[in-house]
Amino acid sequence: DAKTTQPNSMESNEEEPVHLPCNHSTISGTDYIHWYRQLPSQGPEYVIHGLTSNVNNRMASLAIAEDRKSSTLILHRATLRDAAVYYCILRDEGETSGSRLTFGEGTQLTVNP
Amino acid sequence: DAGITQSPRYKITETGRQVTLMCHQTWSHSYMFWYRQDLGHGLRLIYYSAAADITDKGEVPDGYVVSRSKTENFPLTLESATRSQTSVYFCASTDGAANTEAFFGQGTRLTVV
Repeated sequence: DAKTTQPNSMESNEEEPVHLPCNHSTISGTDYIHWYRQLPSQGPEYVIHGLTSNVNNRMASLAIAEDRKSSTLILHRATLRDAAVYYCILRDEGETSGSRLTFGEGTQLTVNP
Repeated sequence: DAGITQSPRYKITETGRQVTLMCHQTWSHSYMFWYRQDLGHGLRLIYYSAAADITDKGEVPDGYVVSRSKTENFPLTLESATRSQTSVYFCASTDGAANTEAFFGQGTRLTVV
C-alpha cells in the first residue's frame, strides 16, 4: 500500500485559514487522495477526495501538487468545531485492496479561540 | 433510518469471555470494515469484507473472527477477550469504488477487565 506522511500536530487560530499537508511520494497513477477527519469521541467522517485536479466542497478544498506526490487540505476559515484529527489516505482504483482504507496516525489540529 | 449503526455502544467484559460487536448498514454497500483505535492512536484495520461470504485479514486480525452471511451485517467476535483488546472499535462501509466516500459508525467502547 502506498504510504502517506503527515505532521503529528498543527495549531491554528479561529477564523484563519489552515493548510494541512500530506506527503505521498510513492503514489501510483490510479490512487485517489482522500481526507477524513475524526472529531473527539466520534467515528471518522469524509471530508474530500481528488485524483489530479484541485477540488472544492462545502467543507474544504484539496490542492494536489502537479506531480501528485503531495497534497494540502485547506480549511478556509477554521472554527472551534474543526478541531479534530485529520487523516490523509490513498485509495487505489486499480486494486480490490485499495478499498481497505488504511489509516495512519493523522494530524491533530488544534484551533485556538 | 439509513446509516451505519454499531451495537452495543459500550461493553465491559471479563478476560476469557466471548463477545460479539455488531455492525449494520442500510445502503447495501459491498465493502465493510472493522477497525480498532487505541487511546491516542490512529485506526488499525482488523478485518474487511468485499461482499457477503468474502472476508479478509487486515493489519491486526489475531484474536478476532468475522462473518458476513448478509450484506448489511458484519459482526466482529472476540473469541476469548484479553485486556489488550480494550479499545474503541469502529465499523465502516463503502460501495468499494476508490472515488467514493466511506461511512463510519459511532464506535463501540470495549473494556476487558
